[in-house]
Amino acid sequence: AQSVSQHNHHVILSEAASLELGCNYSYGGTVNLFWYVQYPGQHLQLLLKYFSGDPLVKGIKGFEAEFIKSKFSFNLRKPSVQWSDTAEYFCAVISGSGATNKLIFGTGTLLAVQP
Amino acid sequence: KAGVTQTPRYLIKTRGQQVTLSCSPISGHRSVSWYQQTPGQGLQFLFEYFSETQRNKGNFPGRFSGRQFSNSRSEMNVSTLELGDSALYLCASSLSTGARQETQYFGPGTRLLVL
Repeated sequence: AQSVSQHNHHVILSEAASLELGCNYSYGGTVNLFWYVQYPGQHLQLLLKYFSGDPLVKGIKGFEAEFIKSKFSFNLRKPSVQWSDTAEYFCAVISGSGATNKLIFGTGTLLAVQP
Repeated sequence: KAGVTQTPRYLIKTRGQQVTLSCSPISGHRSVSWYQQTPGQGLQFLFEYFSETQRNKGNFPGRFSGRQFSNSRSEMNVSTLELGDSALYLCASSLSTGARQETQYFGPGTRLLVL
């Protein structure tokens, strides 16, 4: 079965520190990759997504992610975090062929940014 | 444009009862997916509906069912509630032209507590 692994469950950073959150998936075929974020008290919202083309994708709020097919990875990065980035981050994948919106999520990483 | 709305927002039930949750997608969106979010299992896909047809189903028992109406609104039903059904139930909608490259927009969720 397809699965998504997020290595860090909790991350604590100071403002201006760089961020990298790991994400690995298990499916070897066609994949569409996503990072979602859930700010405290808010809806889950899309940060960025990868479908094809340039493996380095840029999202909202200065986030970016790199798809490395050989490593089955899609790590999220931000060069300088802000206190407002405190949230839970979820990596997700849609795998296989055909029309589907079935997202398989990782377990999430809780990021706390200290001012 | 109004976002995805879910009703009710909070619900308390007892074991053995059944419950119906409702989701109104963003206007014009035809695909609705449901997810269960719990601290232990994270975000898990329940099912997806497109044009009143179930397009995908997750690994949940038959007590979990859903449907979609002609106006794209969707309901999910859980019969014979168990304590383990306590969770946040999220609904997501997308335009769904049949492609997978569409952003799914999540609602605020319905928090269900089973006593």
